[in-house]
Amino acid sequence: KQEVTQIPAALSVPEGENLVLNCSFTDSAIYNLQWFRQDPGKGLTSLLLIQSSQREQTSGRLNASLDKSSGRSTLYIAASQPGDSATYLCAVRGPGGSYIPTFGRGTSLIVHP
Amino acid sequence: NAGVTQTPKFQVLKTGQSMTLQCAQDMNHNSMYWYRQDPGMGLRLIYYSASEGTTDKGEVPNGYNVSRLNKREFSLRLESAAPSQTSVYFCASSEALQRSTEAFFGQGTRLTVV
Repeated sequence: KQEVTQIPAALSVPEGENLVLNCSFTDSAIYNLQWFRQDPGKGLTSLLLIQSSQREQTSGRLNASLDKSSGRSTLYIAASQPGDSATYLCAVRGPGGSYIPTFGRGTSLIVHP
Repeated sequence: NAGVTQTPKFQVLKTGQSMTLQCAQDMNHNSMYWYRQDPGMGLRLIYYSASEGTTDKGEVPNGYNVSRLNKREFSLRLESAAPSQTSVYFCASSEALQRSTEAFFGQGTRLTVV
């Protein structure tokens, strides 16, 4: 059974810092990994999708990397802003989870001015 | 571009009452999912539908039933609500179970059972 872990569970940083959020998974036979953002009381917004054949994906100040063999992904946020404050979730899909998105518990990020 | 639409957005139920959460997607996706999100627990799968006409249990199916009404719609029913079912419920869809494409989520239904 696929298990997904996100570290740290919470993070509080001053504005302008570069951040790394971590996601690890137990079964490396994945199809893809997707990073989401969730604002308080809201739904999930997709940030980046990395296919199993890719090493990284970039969108603006966000960069997600994937090391399938070690079962790890990182989400790098450059020059953090207060508007980046949210919970960040990663989800993996693959045969180990019956191809259904399996989620970590998320990292709650606060960026203070 | 509506994506995945859930209704209602908020609901308060008394213990023992029943209700149906509605979900519809307009992306012609084959696979649909219901999750619940509780503090500190992440998203846990309740039921899923790989394609129209099929449904399967997920990690936490007890106390719930689902119906895949057609390709667009996937509903979740609570027959006799319990306080332990107080949660935020999310519906999601993807192109197909074994296609490596994005999953899209609705805005959630916040359910309180008193």
